[in-house]
Amino acid sequence: GQNIDQPTEMTATEGAIVQINCTYQTSGFNGLFWYQQHAGEAPTFLSYNVLDGLEEKGRFSSFLSRSKGYSYLLLKELQMKDSASYLCASMDSNYQLIWGAGTKLIIKP
Amino acid sequence: DAMVIQNPRYQVTQFGKPVTLSCSQTLNHNVMYWYQQKSSQAPKLLFHYYDKDFNNEADTPDNFQSRRPNTSFCFLDIRSPGLGDAAMYLCATSRDQGTGSEPQHFGDGTRLSIL
Repeated sequence: GQNIDQPTEMTATEGAIVQINCTYQTSGFNGLFWYQQHAGEAPTFLSYNVLDGLEEKGRFSSFLSRSKGYSYLLLKELQMKDSASYLCASMDSNYQLIWGAGTKLIIKP
Repeated sequence: DAMVIQNPRYQVTQFGKPVTLSCSQTLNHNVMYWYQQKSSQAPKLLFHYYDKDFNNEADTPDNFQSRRPNTSFCFLDIRSPGLGDAAMYLCATSRDQGTGSEPQHFGDGTRLSIL
């Protein structure tokens, strides 16, 4: 079956670094997406990885290992506005997104 | 700005009373999606259109229907809402399908409550 696993909730301190992990099992693979979703709002696109390695975008970086079915989202210099849910989604062989339930990130001052 | 617009943001309906949610886009994207998302859960794809080609997910209840009269608009009709249909409904678009790197762009969602 198809499955995405990510932690339900994480807590971090303002100014610190946090890594949110995601493991995936999908029928075929056409890339891994990370989205940010603030409470009561729509998901917004953060990053896309299809090749192994690290993609850096400002304070956010995303890593992929295809052989391990593993990705992580790294957030640096955390700000209070980064408090949100972070959803991992794998694109399967039919180009459909298989979504995780999201990791709720709580930032404390 | 090009965007995906959903109306209304909040919708309240009565048990069993039909309701229609709307979505419009100015991105001129070929693909439009409807998702249902319940609290702390993954978005669940209900159906999507590639242009006028309708694709229904196997486990989408018959109670949910969709229409896409033109490129810009897409509607979600819930014929007889039950209490279990209370959720956030998200509309998304993507420029194409079969292109792995193409992200989906979401509207702000419609939160549906059932009385």
